Amino acid sequence: DAGVTQSPTHLIKTRGQQVTLRCSPKSGHDTVSWYQQALGQGPQFIFQYYEEEERQRGNFPDRFSGHQFPNYSSELNVNALLLGDSALYLCASSWGRESGETQYFGPGTRLLVL
Amino acid sequence: AQSVTQLDSQVPVFEEAPVELRCNYSSSVSVYLFWYVQYPNQGLQLLLKYLSGSTLVESINGFEAEFNKSQTSFHLRKPSVHISDTAEYFCAVSPPSGYSTLTFGKGTMLLVSP
Repeated sequence: DAGVTQSPTHLIKTRGQQVTLRCSPKSGHDTVSWYQQALGQGPQFIFQYYEEEERQRGNFPDRFSGHQFPNYSSELNVNALLLGDSALYLCASSWGRESGETQYFGPGTRLLVL
Repeated sequence: AQSVTQLDSQVPVFEEAPVELRCNYSSSVSVYLFWYVQYPNQGLQLLLKYLSGSTLVESINGFEAEFNKSQTSFHLRKPSVHISDTAEYFCAVSPPSGYSTLTFGKGTMLLVSP
């Protein structure tokens, strides 16, 4: 049973560019959440997708957007990249969106913005 | 709003010694509590969680945590650590209702030496 997978593993972009990160949830999971983990910090919640809709959003600007597909996989898009967007981006999946459900994390995509 | 404080950024300890990683939270409502572990270059893995019931929860690899409502704490303990326990440990909370979004602390790096 494959766990949560993310692609690519590493990415280098320059300021002003746009980036798309991808996530496939654990088999049987229908909810995907995205987190940003800056160096030396804990993960910060970006947003959560359930039934192909953004259900909850953290304190991130509109430059951060996402999508969930009918097969529950998800994309995170970041426009107009800033140096401060350099971080590890983690995808987590769970069954259902109810609080308390265990979230399973992927290995992350490490984004470096130059 | 909720917040999590992990006061110790690093905890060095010798192998087979006991360890306690501290976690305090702030919330105007009751919360669910989690400990996640992150090994180098990997995603986060759930170590244990408290939702309700017994305030002492245990993991399969010898860690335990105790929920203390009066002190708003959820400290993680292990009576005897191994080299393989070297990792970053994150405490997190989520609201008991609504969406399963996690608020993380900044993490504590546990360094186990021989």
